[in-house]
Amino acid sequence: QITLKESGPTLVKPTQTLTLTCTFSGISLSTSRVGINWIRQSPGKALEWLALIYWNDDKRYRPSLKSRLTITKDTSKNQVVLAMTNMDPMDTATYYCAHEGDFWSGLFDYWGQGTLVTVSS
Amino acid sequence: QSVLTQPPSASGTPGQRVTISCSGSSSNIGSNTVNWYQQLPGTAPKLLIYSNNQRPSGVPDRFSGSKSGTSASLAISGLQSEDEADYYCAAWDDSLNGSVFGTGTKVTVL
Repeated sequence: QITLKESGPTLVKPTQTLTLTCTFSGISLSTSRVGINWIRQSPGKALEWLALIYWNDDKRYRPSLKSRLTITKDTSKNQVVLAMTNMDPMDTATYYCAHEGDFWSGLFDYWGQGTLVTVSS
Repeated sequence: QSVLTQPPSASGTPGQRVTISCSGSSSNIGSNTVNWYQQLPGTAPKLLIYSNNQRPSGVPDRFSGSKSGTSASLAISGLQSEDEADYYCAAWDDSLNGSVFGTGTKVTVL
């Protein structure tokens, strides 16, 4: 069974860097074709895909946020980390990590519960 | 900012059939498969339909998906009160080199 769980700060100040960790079980990023995504949802808004990392360290980013995002993996810890710089109140959202069910597919078959991050001074 | 366009809302009475559209372009729906997600209030999204028309184990056959050209549709037949949720389509976009979601549709059971 695949499970994922997000962790990180619930409150960050404007201009700070947000660092979120996705810890998963039931899969390994040392296994071919495994990918983990980050997706967010601002209050009352639609889902927004942010970033993706594959087992082979192939990384993809949302073009409009690419300059602010960094996704990395720690295979030994079964973790994927997302860093987002220069946080703004508009970045207040619930952040989810999700398993990529198929290569380059937009298919997210397992999701974490999400973590709400508020950006405020 | 969503690349895929959905109607903001849809509704029906119990037992009715409801259809949700998802309109994209040649770089996403036109060249890749479509997936649908159901998000109940206060919960994480759940995969409902994948590869245009496939249901994961446990998803009732009341839910069905289809795709034609650069558009896709999700149909809910025999609408039930527990189907009241937000629904999102998603696909890979070859131009953006990433996944894209729809604008979301809120389904209300009258």
